[in-house]
Amino acid sequence: GAGVSQSPSNKVTEKGKDVELRCDPISGHTALYWYRQRLGQGLEFLIYFQGNSAPDKSGLPSDRFSAERTGESVSTLTIQRTQQEDSAVYLCASSLLIAGDNEQFFGPGTRLTVL
Amino acid sequence: GNSVTQMEGPVTLSEEAFLTINCTYTATGYPSLFWYVQYPGEGLQLLLKATKADDKGSNKGFEATYRKETTSFHLEKGSVQVSDSAVYFCALSGNSGGSYIPTFGRGTSLIVHP
Repeated sequence: GAGVSQSPSNKVTEKGKDVELRCDPISGHTALYWYRQRLGQGLEFLIYFQGNSAPDKSGLPSDRFSAERTGESVSTLTIQRTQQEDSAVYLCASSLLIAGDNEQFFGPGTRLTVL
Repeated sequence: GNSVTQMEGPVTLSEEAFLTINCTYTATGYPSLFWYVQYPGEGLQLLLKATKADDKGSNKGFEATYRKETTSFHLEKGSVQVSDSAVYFCALSGNSGGSYIPTFGRGTSLIVHP
């Protein structure tokens, strides 16, 4: 496909379980971002990958959150021991990251509900 | 650090009314500025952008001008439609300390009534 895809689109889990969210960026986009969007709120930056550089994890809210990316392709965001406050839409975006123009291409998001 | 401030919503208008959503920013260097739109139940998509001072971005009847002197990027549309009802996010991105992490505003909800 031409756009950013994410899976699953919806995930309902019980408190304390681990979840894994997947993002497939646009082919050729070197940068990949994860954001969290709580209901009625703006975007909260989580983590950023750029090529083979070490990821910028400065937005991860706790050590229960981690993410990996294989080269310049698929990324997975893992949340361990989920809590109710983790309930949100998790958005992935990719970018060509041309200097001075970091247009973000967003996926449809994964809606996570922790019961 | 960088920051983006946009007017709080919801903004409620009648169809064909004039729209302004204010956005101001604080940034080091010379960032690019963006407006993204999120329609109900969908992800964000780029509405328009401007990469340098005095540039005007435009799309679907919406316009915004990059004003460096007032550090603003206000979104305008002359005549809104019901289909414009959505949440609008102002954002900036630039090379701040070697990092390309965008900064988003909190979003402004627009509701257009027939």
